[in-house]
Amino acid sequence: KQEVTQIPAALSVPEGENLVLNCSFTDSAIYNLQWFRQDPGKGLTSLLLIQSSQREQTSGRLNASLDKSSGRSTLYIAASQPGDSATYLCAVRRGMDSSYKLIFGSGTRLLVRP
Amino acid sequence: DAGVIQSPRHEVTEMGQEVTLRCKPISGHDYLFWYRQTMMRGLELLIYFNNNVPIDDSGMPEDRFSAKMPNASFSTLKIQPSEPRDSAVYFCASKGQLNTEAFFGQGTRLTVV
Repeated sequence: KQEVTQIPAALSVPEGENLVLNCSFTDSAIYNLQWFRQDPGKGLTSLLLIQSSQREQTSGRLNASLDKSSGRSTLYIAASQPGDSATYLCAVRRGMDSSYKLIFGSGTRLLVRP
Repeated sequence: DAGVIQSPRHEVTEMGQEVTLRCKPISGHDYLFWYRQTMMRGLELLIYFNNNVPIDDSGMPEDRFSAKMPNASFSTLKIQPSEPRDSAVYFCASKGQLNTEAFFGQGTRLTVV
């Protein structure tokens, strides 16, 4: 059974700091991995999606990496800003031949202090 | 496009009452997903549809839960009878055939007292 774990559960950093959020999964047979952002009381916004054949994806100040063999992904946020404060969730989709079910981690709650 | 639209945004109901949550997916998307988010269990997929047909309902917790998609632009998630442990935020998401990612609605916060 696929399990997704995110560490740390919460993180508080001063503005401008570079930071790394971690995601690990127990079954390496994934189709892709996705990072989401969730603001309080809001839905999820997709940030980056990495296919199983890819090693990383970049969007602006965000960079996500994937090491499928070790069951790990990281989300790197450069030069953090107060507006980055949110909960960040990673989710894995199982293999191509199974359903579109996403297995989510419990998230990392990020606070960027001005 | 307005994105995935869910209604109501908030629902408070008494135990035993029927609750109906509604979702309008993004036009042209042929996959629709219902998720539930709680503090204890995080985000869990309840059911998803492809071309209005339920494909995987293994996440539906009990027979009290049912979901329908009568057409490509509308889906409902019904709980009958509701119980306090059903209190959660329920998200709807949709995705197109070619899109690799799903787009989420704002969610419905359900409180059963």
